[in-house]
Amino acid sequence: DVVMTQSPLSLPVTLGQPASISCRSSQSLVHSDGNTYLSWFQQRPGQSPRRLIYKVSNRDSGVPDRFSGSGSGTDFTLKISSVEAEDVGVYYCMQGTHWPPLTFGGGTKVEIK
Amino acid sequence: EVQLVESGGGLVQPGGSLRLSCAASGVTFSSYWMSWVRQAPGKGLEWVAIINQDGSEKYYVDSVKGRFTISRDNAKNSLYLQMNSLRAEDTAVYYCAREGDFDIWGQGTMVTVSS
Repeated sequence: DVVMTQSPLSLPVTLGQPASISCRSSQSLVHSDGNTYLSWFQQRPGQSPRRLIYKVSNRDSGVPDRFSGSGSGTDFTLKISSVEAEDVGVYYCMQGTHWPPLTFGGGTKVEIK
Repeated sequence: EVQLVESGGGLVQPGGSLRLSCAASGVTFSSYWMSWVRQAPGKGLEWVAIINQDGSEKYYVDSVKGRFTISRDNAKNSLYLQMNSLRAEDTAVYYCAREGDFDIWGQGTMVTVSS
């Protein structure tokens, strides 16, 4: 099974400042079809998860452009260019290249300083 | 608007059974793979099971194999999860989600396994 490792576990940030979350996979996420199936999800307190990014860097509809995804192979990053209060929550990466099982990272909690 | 609505959660004793349902609307349900994902209290997300469009392919996380069964009824735009031999560690919020990249999620239904 592919293990997804996120860091940091907790990320206190100042409003208006950038934030960055790292996600590493135990093996390359490049699929035989050439795509890399790495997604990012946001879970606000008390809410269901919401997908933000798919295939490394593609933003879902309605996702603010302050969110961006990058990376390749085994190393991926979610960046928030300027954190807003509504960005508080837990962020998860997930791989869909080598399945079953589909696997998530352990989560990174973003909070305001 | 695409909407997924789960139901069927509740309190069940260890060893008991429960059947979860997920009703889809605003989407051509029969065109998509569908998944169940769970989240234990205060914990992260765990994929549980996935089913293809016509129900001929089903996959499970190892911890539920032989105990849980995913199914669907495309005529009713509904997804199901039959959970047998429930254990305390199955206690979680269960979400249905579209496809294997989870672009749409339901609001979840809570399952508590306790005596």
